[in-house]
Amino acid sequence: QKEVEQNSGPLSVPEGAIASLNCTYSDRVSQSFFWYRQYSGKSPELIMSIYSNGDKEDGRFTAQLNKASQYVSLLIRDSQPSDSATYLCAVSGAGSYQLTFGKGTKLSVIP
Amino acid sequence: GAVVSQHPSWVICKSGTSVKIECRSLDFQATTMFWYRQFPKQSLMLMATSNEGSKATYEQGVEKDKFLINHASLTLSTLTVTSAHPEDSSFYICSARGSRQGMDQPQHFGDGTRLSIL
Repeated sequence: QKEVEQNSGPLSVPEGAIASLNCTYSDRVSQSFFWYRQYSGKSPELIMSIYSNGDKEDGRFTAQLNKASQYVSLLIRDSQPSDSATYLCAVSGAGSYQLTFGKGTKLSVIP
Repeated sequence: GAVVSQHPSWVICKSGTSVKIECRSLDFQATTMFWYRQFPKQSLMLMATSNEGSKATYEQGVEKDKFLINHASLTLSTLTVTSAHPEDSSFYICSARGSRQGMDQPQHFGDGTRLSIL
């Protein structure tokens, strides 16, 4: 059974701070990792994808992957109230295009 | 790029009605489309994987005769909820994956369909 674990939160950070979201996965052969943002009542929106160990930066977002520790994280710098949403970690394995989602971490950015 | 259109956004209908939901990839060809269901405050649960021109693969516990999936072209997949009942009320979301080879093709989601069965 493939599992993706996230802290459900809520995670509250003040505006302008760094928000750190964490995710662990059970399937050691997982190859592709994604972070999606989901606003209440809306569908998920792709924020970041990462496939190799290390950091990947895109604007205020940085994804970090450590396959040895089976750990992937998302950092949001200069957090804004508009970043308040649920962040879903998703993982796909070798030879599979299917995604396994975590339950999501609810982020609240306080003005 | 990578726009997925899902229609309708909202459906409210009586118990016993069949409801069809369309999912279209607007600017890319989607070899594979996925159908998810999400209950309030829960994560997305994959219902089925749909490949163009072949039968859908359903996840365990999902009734294939109740949730009919057709993926007749590289840009369109449909989900029909047959004889819907109140327990089928949920948020249904489709996603599509591009047809390029390789693992670096993320899924892009439609806006979802909120289904309410009275």
